[in-house]
Amino acid sequence: KAGVTQTPRYLIKTRGQQVTLSCSPISGHRSVSWYQQTPGQGLQFLFEYFSETQRNKGNFPGRFSGRQFSNSRSEMNVSTLELGDSALYLCASSFGAGGTQYFGPGTRLLVL
Amino acid sequence: GIQVEQSPPDLILQEGANSTLRCNFSDSVNNLQWFHQNPWGQLINLFYIPSGTKQNGRLSATTVATERYSLLYISSSQTTDSGVYFCAVAGNNDMRFGAGTRLTVKP
Repeated sequence: KAGVTQTPRYLIKTRGQQVTLSCSPISGHRSVSWYQQTPGQGLQFLFEYFSETQRNKGNFPGRFSGRQFSNSRSEMNVSTLELGDSALYLCASSFGAGGTQYFGPGTRLLVL
Repeated sequence: GIQVEQSPPDLILQEGANSTLRCNFSDSVNNLQWFHQNPWGQLINLFYIPSGTKQNGRLSATTVATERYSLLYISSSQTTDSGVYFCAVAGNNDMRFGAGTRLTVKP
């Protein structure tokens, strides 16, 4: 069974731009969670989607948004990028909400 | 929210040595997982262990939910065990990660 895939793997943007990251969960998994990892703040929860509905949201500004499609694929969007948004963005999927999470390889975003 | 503390922050071992990593959490949890992050950033799921003991090869984990801690044991360490080990817990809401233990295994 294929693992969690994330695209793109690397991305360079400039301040003020917006970006969309994509995550395809393991086949059959209906829950997708997103995390931001930075050297200073560590791993922080962004949001979780289950069956196209946002279940939980972390403490991030409204510039960070996400959605989940009927095939469980998920996207997250960051608008008006700031230098501090440079990070590794990780997506994880699980069969059910709150279940064992399996992570994708991440998207490394650099904001210049 | 739930606070997660991992210790030690850094650990250097000689190949073949054993180690114990600890994770303390501040409230009751529904979900506790241990992960290994390799040098390329990939998080590998090691254990899903909200309570009890599990073993997988040279690795084992124990969670004592009533005392709010979990332990990850690595026996006969190998250089490929190097990386950062994270404990993550979830109560009713989001999953919280500890700051991790950076393990370096020297040949």
